[in-house]
Amino acid sequence: KQEVTQIPAALSVPEGENLVLNCSFTDSAIYNLQWFRQDPGKGLTSLLLIQSSQREQTSGRLNASLDKSSGRSTLYIAASQPGDSATYLCAVVREKLVFGKGTKLTVNP
Amino acid sequence: DGGITQSPKYLFRKEGQNVTLSCEQNLNHDAMYWYRQDPGQGLRLIYYSQIVNDFQKGDIAEGYSVSREKKESFPLTVTSAQKNPTAFYLCASNSGLAGNNEQFFGPGTRLTVL
Repeated sequence: KQEVTQIPAALSVPEGENLVLNCSFTDSAIYNLQWFRQDPGKGLTSLLLIQSSQREQTSGRLNASLDKSSGRSTLYIAASQPGDSATYLCAVVREKLVFGKGTKLTVNP
Repeated sequence: DGGITQSPKYLFRKEGQNVTLSCEQNLNHDAMYWYRQDPGQGLRLIYYSQIVNDFQKGDIAEGYSVSREKKESFPLTVTSAQKNPTAFYLCASNSGLAGNNEQFFGPGTRLTVL
């Protein structure tokens, strides 16, 4: 059974810092991996989708990498801003998505 | 604007009542999903449908029912058999293509049992 773990569960950083969020998964037989952002009381917003054949994807200040062989993905956020404060979830995809429990990020002004 | 809509945003139910949560998408997606989100537990899959008139149970289907009569719509009924229905419910969809199945989510419905 696929299990997805996100570490740390919570992270607090000062504005402007570069940071890395981690996601690990137990079964490397995935189609792709997706990173989401969730604001309190809201739905999930898709940030990046990495196909299984890709190693990384970039969107603005966000960069996500995927290493299937080691069962790991990282989400790199450059020059963090208070507006980045949210919970970040990763999900691995095969027939359906399996989610981690998320990392709650707080960026302090 | 293409997207997924869920209604209502907030729903209150008395014990013993069935309630139906609405999910509509205009993304022309084949696959649709219902998740439940509880604090500290992450998202859990209730039901999913990969094509009209077909659906499968997810990990926590007991006490729930769905229908998929139209491509755009995937309503979820929370029945009185669901013992602890208070939660945040999220609907999602994707194209259903293995090579590019980016999943999109609606804004959610918060259900509270009184």
